[in-house]
Amino acid sequence: AQTVTQSQPEMSVQEAETVTLSCTYDTSESDYYLFWYKQPPSRQMILVIRQEAYKQQNATENRFSVNFQKAAKSFSLKISDSQLGDAAMYFCAYRSTSGTYKYIFGTGTRLKVLA
Amino acid sequence: DTAVSQTPKYLVTQMGNDKSIKCEQNLGHDTMYWYKQDSKKFLKIMFSYNNKELIINETVPNRFSPKSPDKAHLNLHINSLELGDSAVYFCASSPGTRLGEAFFGQGTRLTVV
Repeated sequence: AQTVTQSQPEMSVQEAETVTLSCTYDTSESDYYLFWYKQPPSRQMILVIRQEAYKQQNATENRFSVNFQKAAKSFSLKISDSQLGDAAMYFCAYRSTSGTYKYIFGTGTRLKVLA
Repeated sequence: DTAVSQTPKYLVTQMGNDKSIKCEQNLGHDTMYWYKQDSKKFLKIMFSYNNKELIINETVPNRFSPKSPDKAHLNLHINSLELGDSAVYFCASSPGTRLGEAFFGQGTRLTVV
């Protein structure tokens, strides 16, 4: 069974600085997707970025980028030029590309942005 | 237009009652999910339907019964509510294909007193 681990329950970053959130996962599959979702206090789950496992190139979306290390089963999220609106819970998620398309989530990292 | 909408957003009820949460998606997706988020923010899948067919049924008490009248709707009915059922319940949908990410509703905060 696949598992997703986020070892940082909470992180803090100064406004305009850069922060990296860690995520590791375990799977025997070779083809899958990885995602980062953001959950602000409004509790809406918002997709931040996704990575396809068969793509070597790391995904980037504006200030958000990932460092995907397939062999190490690591998938970290880098937030550059942090803004107050980035404060939220961040969840790493794994999804298989076949079968039931079940999303497996990590336990989340609470990000605080300091003014 | 809201892509995935859940009603109600808040639900406070007494132990032993029966309640339902409704979910609708207008994205044309084939797969819909129910997730439960506990007080520690952990998200765990409960059920998933693909084209009205149940494809995931995790170890959920049988007091919880999903129903999908069509592929755009997935409702969750809970019988004999217990204090431990208090949580946020999220509905989500995805294309159900190799590509495509899940879109989530705003969640329903259920409080059992």
